Amino acid sequence: GQNIDQPTEMTATEGAIVQINCTYQTSGFNGLFWYQQHAGEAPTFLSYNVLDGLEEKGRFSSFLSRSKGYSYLLLKELQMKDSASYLCAVRDQGNTPLVFGKGTRLSVIA
Amino acid sequence: DADVTQTPRNRITKTGKRIMLECSQTKGHDRMYWYRQDPGLGLRLIYYSFDVKDINKGEISDGYSVSRQAQAKFSLSLESAIPNQTALYFCATSRGGEKLFFGSGTQLSVL
Repeated sequence: GQNIDQPTEMTATEGAIVQINCTYQTSGFNGLFWYQQHAGEAPTFLSYNVLDGLEEKGRFSSFLSRSKGYSYLLLKELQMKDSASYLCAVRDQGNTPLVFGKGTRLSVIA
Repeated sequence: DADVTQTPRNRITKTGKRIMLECSQTKGHDRMYWYRQDPGLGLRLIYYSFDVKDINKGEISDGYSVSRQAQAKFSLSLESAIPNQTALYFCATSRGGEKLFFGSGTQLSVL
């Protein structure tokens, strides 16, 4: 089976840094994706990791450790518009569809 | 214009009714998916299709059926709607195993 865990809710202050963790247990591994979803809207792609290490894209970075079954999404210089849900999704092997975690709802406060 | 278009955006129906949700895409992607999203449960896969003649069940296919009428069109049907099928439904597409692109969603309420 597959199990993807992430915190349900987080709160952070505008201008700060926040790290959203994701742990997974899957039969195989062929990539991990992070998506952002604002309330009532469609998820949009943020990042993709398939090899260990850090991928940086502007204010957002994503890290992967395959041996630990662990990833995090790092958001720097938080802005109010970053208030959203962040979804971790894993492809366990081959061409299988993505399996999503339940998402982390981030609230950015002044 | 949206690359992945879902219709309708909102639908209210009664228990026992048959309804169809439609999805079309202009991205030229081969793969299409239907997910549903419930508060606290995240996105769960209903059905997916890797090509026009390929249909596969996802995690929660019971009570649903799909049709891939063309590469660009993938519709989801509820043969006899029930209240616990009330949810936000998303269609998504991808080129091979690359990232997913989602439609704007259909909010379905079954009374």
